[in-house]
Amino acid sequence: GQQVMQIPQYQHVQEGEDFTTYCNSSTTLSNIQWYKQRPGGHPVFLIQLVKSGEVKKQKRLTFQFGEAKKNSSLHITATQTTDVGTYFCAGQNRGSTLGRLYFGRGTQLTVWP
Amino acid sequence: EAGVTQFPSHSVIEKGQTVTLRCDPISGHDNLYWYRRVMGKEIKFLLHFVKESKQDESGMPNNRFLAERTGGTYSTLKVQPAELEDSGVYFCASSQAWTTEQFFGPGTRLTVL
Repeated sequence: GQQVMQIPQYQHVQEGEDFTTYCNSSTTLSNIQWYKQRPGGHPVFLIQLVKSGEVKKQKRLTFQFGEAKKNSSLHITATQTTDVGTYFCAGQNRGSTLGRLYFGRGTQLTVWP
Repeated sequence: EAGVTQFPSHSVIEKGQTVTLRCDPISGHDNLYWYRRVMGKEIKFLLHFVKESKQDESGMPNNRFLAERTGGTYSTLKVQPAELEDSGVYFCASSQAWTTEQFFGPGTRLTVL
């Protein structure tokens, strides 16, 4: 069945370093969403990418959607301690299961001050 | 605007017992989803309601799980009888449309002993 792979599972960086997490789907997606979950919290929506090759920026965060709409990445420039948490990608398909999100396993980011 | 709420926040039960989880979505959101995260694994889809109808229940693990959404407002997820492997965090989410961001509740942490 549908799978969304996400790497790395863990990333430890020093404050100020960059961070990237990668997501790859076994099938072509309708769109991909990114969520952040702080320790002890719940997933919070960050952004949605819909178009092939789309790139979106939110301050220090850059999100990309691949040309084939099967992969995506999130890059954080100059990490801060407030960036700590688990970052999930989640894809949606076309068709009757459109609402369903297929989550990657998440990348747990730790930032040392 | 109130967010998605879930009750209880924690539940500890013994194998073979019954537990009912409740979710109140954001007012006006027709789409309601249930997800589950087992320790260390990805967040997995359980089912999707559109108003009171089950749009997609392909993620329900077996017939010990029963979800309802009477009147298209709040939803309940009953596990009967509970098994050890049912332990995890159960998230509810709601959205305005199938393809828009999903707002997650704080989750119910279920522990089956």
